[in-house]
Amino acid sequence: EAQVTQNPRYLITVTGKKLTVTCSQNMNHEYMSWYRQDPGLGLRQIYYSMNVEVTDKGDVPEGYKVSRKEKRNFPLILESPSPNQTSLYFCASSPGLNSPLHFGNGTRLTVT
Amino acid sequence: GENVEQHPSTLSVQEGDSAVIKCTYSDSASNYFPWYKQELGKRPQLIIDIRSNVGEKKDQRIAVTLNKTAKHFSLHITETQPEDSAVYFCAASPTSGTYKYIFGTGTRLKVLA
Repeated sequence: EAQVTQNPRYLITVTGKKLTVTCSQNMNHEYMSWYRQDPGLGLRQIYYSMNVEVTDKGDVPEGYKVSRKEKRNFPLILESPSPNQTSLYFCASSPGLNSPLHFGNGTRLTVT
Repeated sequence: GENVEQHPSTLSVQEGDSAVIKCTYSDSASNYFPWYKQELGKRPQLIIDIRSNVGEKKDQRIAVTLNKTAKHFSLHITETQPEDSAVYFCAASPTSGTYKYIFGTGTRLKVLA
């Protein structure tokens, strides 16, 4: 089944403890990206990647890192999480520009 | 910076009535305009999209119109049903010199039975 898989679905952590949210897609998509969803603010893009080893900042990249070492994987790294990064995170992929995004099921992160 | 404005933020309609959601974008370089539906607790899923060489697209009860001159596009849902209740997001892509997607802030649609 074609899908985007995110893990974990729920994560509670403490300020400053490094964490990684994994994202994997099995559709051979070129484009992958991360979003955070907060009430009243919609979906805001954190980082995106056009291909392996090619990443760029979205609108809210501060406090996040990503890597694209393989086409299928695009992990989101929070080196030192803070409470303002408490949010619902979505990974998404698409074949390329001007194509629909396929979203993962989301990761709800709470930083205390 | 680039942005997409979406209105209204909430919309209640009676079952069977039509619903219209409007979006305005700022970057004239954008040429792809998708709409996503997000049911409670679930991921956003594409319901319809339009590209800048097309003015209107229809899929059963859902239609999208695009006015590139005015830089706005709209989602039209006819004969609404309770299962249409969800949050709807518009988006515009790409933005000048980048490959960003910019989303609107969402519209919560309630269809009253």
